[in-house]
Parts: sequence; structure tokens; C-alpha cells
Amino acid sequence: DGGITQSPKYLFRKEGQNVTLSCEQNLNHDAMYWYRQDPGQGLRLIYYSQIVNDFQKGDIAEGYSVSREKKESFPLTVTSAQKNPTAFYLCASSMYLAGNEQFFGPGTRLTVL
Amino acid sequence: GEDVEQSLFLSVREGDSSVINCTYTDSSSTYLYWYKQEPGAGLQLLTYIFSNMDMKQDQRLTVLLNKKDKHLSLRIADTQTGDSAIYFCAESIPGNTGKLIFGQGTTLQVKP
Repeated sequence: DGGITQSPKYLFRKEGQNVTLSCEQNLNHDAMYWYRQDPGQGLRLIYYSQIVNDFQKGDIAEGYSVSREKKESFPLTVTSAQKNPTAFYLCASSMYLAGNEQFFGPGTRLTVL
Repeated sequence: GEDVEQSLFLSVREGDSSVINCTYTDSSSTYLYWYKQEPGAGLQLLTYIFSNMDMKQDQRLTVLLNKKDKHLSLRIADTQTGDSAIYFCAESIPGNTGKLIFGQGTTLQVKP
């Protein structure tokens, strides 16, 4: 059954800690994305990756980092430098980088205590 | 600049048609998408339309695109309570980023 999984579903973090959100896909898609969603707002792009070992900053990359060591996996680290990290984080993938529909995972809700 | 605008809320009665509207600013958009988000879940792709099309129909869903006015709409026929969700329109920007620009989302409330 192909799809995108994200874990954990809920994550709590103390201020000053780094946390890593997992995103895995078995759709054989080349491109992967991380978005942040805040209440009453659309999705904003954090980072994207076209291919293994390559990734680019999106619109709001400050305070975040990613890696793409495997085609299936695109973890996102929320660092202590991110000033307002409480949000809903969504991972997506698409067959190619441009002009192709993106499929989304179920999301991770991060709360900073 | 790149901007996508949607009204924030729509309430309809079960069985009525729903029309969710969206305006965008980038005339070079290639594809326009409609996504559905249920509470606490990810986004589900409902349908999309290529920018050289005027209309696309898929079962209860009809997408209309007015490229001159940069206006996109999603009509849901015979709206059901299970259609209650947030609906996002998004446009894809040409180039090699694969970036989607999302609207703020329209919350659709379906009353029995």
C-alpha cells in the first residue's frame, strides 16, 4: 500500500531543544517537500529536495535543517534557533519537481512547552 | 508577486451545491489544484486543472477556470456532511522549484 508516513503524530518539545520529524514515502517519488501550517493560514514551504543528496531552502527555512540520504526519507530537524516552532508540519512528495501533483502525509503537530 | 486568496468560511445545507472561490495573481501558473483537509489530517488532492482548460468535471466536483480574471472555483454538487473540511486551492509556479502557492483555505460547514 503506497503512501507517505510521518511520525510522530504529536510531538512536545521544551524550549532550547532540537527535534527531528520523520517523513518516509514508498511511492518511488524523486521530489519531497516540507511545509508548515499555522491556524487560518495556507501552507508555507520550508525545504524541498529534487533528488537524493540535494535540497533547497524554501520560503521559511531559518531555524530548520533537512537531509536526503535516501530517496524514501526526508527528515526535518526543528532547531532551537526557530523562534516560533509550534505548528502543524506536513511532508509531501511528487514524481518530479515541477508541474506534478504533490501527495501529502498525515502531518506532525509540534508543540513547544 | 505570488498570492492566492480564498474566502475563509462557507456554510451550506446538506444536498445543496457548494461553490468555493479562489483568486490568484501569477498569470504564468501551469496547474491549479484543489486539496481537502479534514481535522488533524494531511491534505488530500481532490482534483487539478491545467491552465489551458476552462472546465474539468469529476463526479460531484466541477472546476471552473477563468484565466482572464485569474479566478478558480470548485463546485461540489449534492454536498454531504462528509464534505465538511478545509479546502485549499494552490497554484504551481513554472520553473524548477516545484513550488506550490497555497491559499489560506476555506472552511466548508455542511448542516444537516
